[in-house]
Amino acid sequence: EPEVTQTPSHQVTQMGQEVILRCVPISNHLYFYWYRQILGQKVEFLVSFYNNEISEKSEIFDDQFSVERPDGSNFTLKIRSTKLEDSAMYFCASSVQPGQGGSGANVLTFGAGSRLTVL
Amino acid sequence: KQEVTQIPAALSVPEGENLVLNCSFTDSAIYNLQWFRQDPGKGLTSLLLIQSSQREQTSGRLNASLDKSSGRSTLYIAASQPGDSATYLCAAPHYGGSQGNLIFGKGTKLSVKP
Repeated sequence: EPEVTQTPSHQVTQMGQEVILRCVPISNHLYFYWYRQILGQKVEFLVSFYNNEISEKSEIFDDQFSVERPDGSNFTLKIRSTKLEDSAMYFCASSVQPGQGGSGANVLTFGAGSRLTVL
Repeated sequence: KQEVTQIPAALSVPEGENLVLNCSFTDSAIYNLQWFRQDPGKGLTSLLLIQSSQREQTSGRLNASLDKSSGRSTLYIAASQPGDSATYLCAAPHYGGSQGNLIFGKGTKLSVKP
C-alpha cells in the first residue's frame, strides 16, 4: 500500500537553528499538507500546498515557516529559527485531487511523523 | 470557528466488548467527517470518511455515524480486540477552509484488555 514517508524520524536542535523536515508524498497525489502535534495536545493544521504554491495556511504558519517542493517528489517544511515552542511531532499528509472519491471527498494519507525537539 | 470535542478522553474495556466513541462539532456546515487511528509513535491512519449526504459508513467491525443537525458523530467498534488499542481521532473540515484543513478532536485513548 502506498505510503507517505517522512525524514528524519527524530531531530534534536538548538534554539535559533534552522530545521528542514522532509516528506515524500504518495506519487499520484497532488495536494500536500503539514500538521503538527505538540505533546498532549490536538493535531493542528499548518499549511496546504497545491500546484507549487500555498493554498491555505493557519495562524501558526508564520514567517518562520516555509514549504517547498524542490524536485517534484519531496515536500519540505523549513523552520528558519527554531523556538522552544516549536517542539512537536510534525506530520506530512497528501491527498488526491478533490473530486475523486465522490462529492469532493478527500481522504488524507499521513506519514509517521518527524519528532522535533528544540533545546 | 469549528471546534471538535471527543468524549471520553480514555476508555478501558475487556476484549470482546462493543463500544462507542463520541465526537461533537460546533459547525454543522461540513461536507464530511473523518475518523483516524493513531498508534504511539506512529502517524494517523484514516479509518472512515463520512460524506455529509451519508448517515453512516462501515468498514469491517467499525461503523461511523454522522448527525449534522445535532453536530455529532459516533464510532462504533464491535467485538473489540487488544489490537484495537490506540487513540481514535475525529476530524471535521475547518469552516471556509480547504478540504485538507481539518480540525481534530483531542482523541479517545482506547485500551482493550485481553
